Amino acid sequence: EVQLVESGGGLVQPGGSLRLSCAASGFTFSHLWMHWVRQAPGKGLVWVSYINSDGSNTHYADSVKGRFTISRDNAKNTLYLQMNSLRVEDTAVYYCVRGGDGSIDYWGQGTLVTVSS
Amino acid sequence: DMVMTQTPLSSPVTLGQPASISCRSSQSLVHSDGNTYLSWLQQRPGQPPRLLIYKISNRFSGVPDRFSGSGAGTDFTLKISRVESEDVGVYYCTQATQFPYTFGQGTKLEIK
Repeated sequence: EVQLVESGGGLVQPGGSLRLSCAASGFTFSHLWMHWVRQAPGKGLVWVSYINSDGSNTHYADSVKGRFTISRDNAKNTLYLQMNSLRVEDTAVYYCVRGGDGSIDYWGQGTLVTVSS
Repeated sequence: DMVMTQTPLSSPVTLGQPASISCRSSQSLVHSDGNTYLSWLQQRPGQPPRLLIYKISNRFSGVPDRFSGSGAGTDFTLKISRVESEDVGVYYCTQATQFPYTFGQGTKLEIK
């Protein structure tokens, strides 16, 4: 069974940093792309970032470029999102999502990040 | 960026009746590899999204056959043949043809 379990969310002040983690199991993590997608309270889905299977290629939404860094440790089956210079508008549930056959297929339960003073 | 526009934004449906949601992209979703990476997601209240349909018309594992997808190029449709109570939620179309991946605004399906 595919499982994606996010952790690391919480309350942080504007300008602060957080690192999200996503522990993956039930599939060969090192073979697949991974993504982060976020959802502000009561709002729709917004794609944040992508990383390819070996970590050599990444993409970011313009809204987070230069502030967020996606990475992965295939030996630990773990995906990361380092978030720096956080803004109030980064407040959202952050989902770890697996890249499947030309789609994004399995989603974690999400971790809530709240940026507030 | 590819803009995904869904209609309607809200859809009250009677149990057992069909429902249909449309999604239009601002550019063709045909990838250079010949595939069209248009998917549909369902988000039930309080739950993470769940993949229903990928590459226009392929049902994901465990998805009931009352869900179907169709379309081509820039116009796509999700159909539910007979709505059940568990289908209540928000439905999103999404494209994975080019970065950044983008989502439609969401269509709220509710029971009349």
